[in-house]
Amino acid sequence: NAGVTQTPKFQVLKTGQSMTLQCAQDMNHNSMYWYRQDPGMGLRLIYYSASEGTTDKGEVPNGYNVSRLNKREFSLRLESAAPSQTSVYFCASSEAGTKLFFGSGTQLSVL
Amino acid sequence: AQSVTQPDIHITVSEGASLELRCNYSYGATPYLFWYVQSPGQGLQLLLKYFSGDTLVQGIKGFEAEFKRSQSSFNLRKPSVHWSDAAEYFCAVGATSGTYKYIFGTGTRLKVLA
Repeated sequence: NAGVTQTPKFQVLKTGQSMTLQCAQDMNHNSMYWYRQDPGMGLRLIYYSASEGTTDKGEVPNGYNVSRLNKREFSLRLESAAPSQTSVYFCASSEAGTKLFFGSGTQLSVL
Repeated sequence: AQSVTQPDIHITVSEGASLELRCNYSYGATPYLFWYVQSPGQGLQLLLKYFSGDTLVQGIKGFEAEFKRSQSSFNLRKPSVHWSDAAEYFCAVGATSGTYKYIFGTGTRLKVLA
């Protein structure tokens, strides 16, 4: 049982480049989330999707876009990467706001 | 608006001493409440959760937390800390309906002295 699969694990971008982080879950969860983790700031919610077909902004949505492609997949796109977006990104899923299941994270560096 | 505050950024305790980590939340009703732990370089592990009912909840690794509605708090406790408890601890608040928005606090880093 794979749980939440997140790709890539590591990525280095130059300022201005774009990229998409992929996330898929096989637990039939309705809700999916994207967080970023920075030292001293905890996990901050970027975007979330309560169910297929809906997405909402979280605490720090600027510079990001998301797509809930289907019930399984929720991608995060950086259109023009900035050094301030250097972070560790986590995808997560849950059923009705209960326990979160996390992916293994993506370490992103923007130079 | 939904929010979580962990007032203590760093806490240092001696091994064998008791521990209490503070968490205060803001939410329009009784939320879902969680404590997670993250060891260096690792992912987040759920310690315990509160959904409803008994306000004192037991978790893994000997941790417990008490929900106090009047104080909007959900503090984490352990009677005797072990060196392996050194990690970062996050409190989280989940919406109980609708969007199921799930917010984390900024974390408390625990150091344990031998």
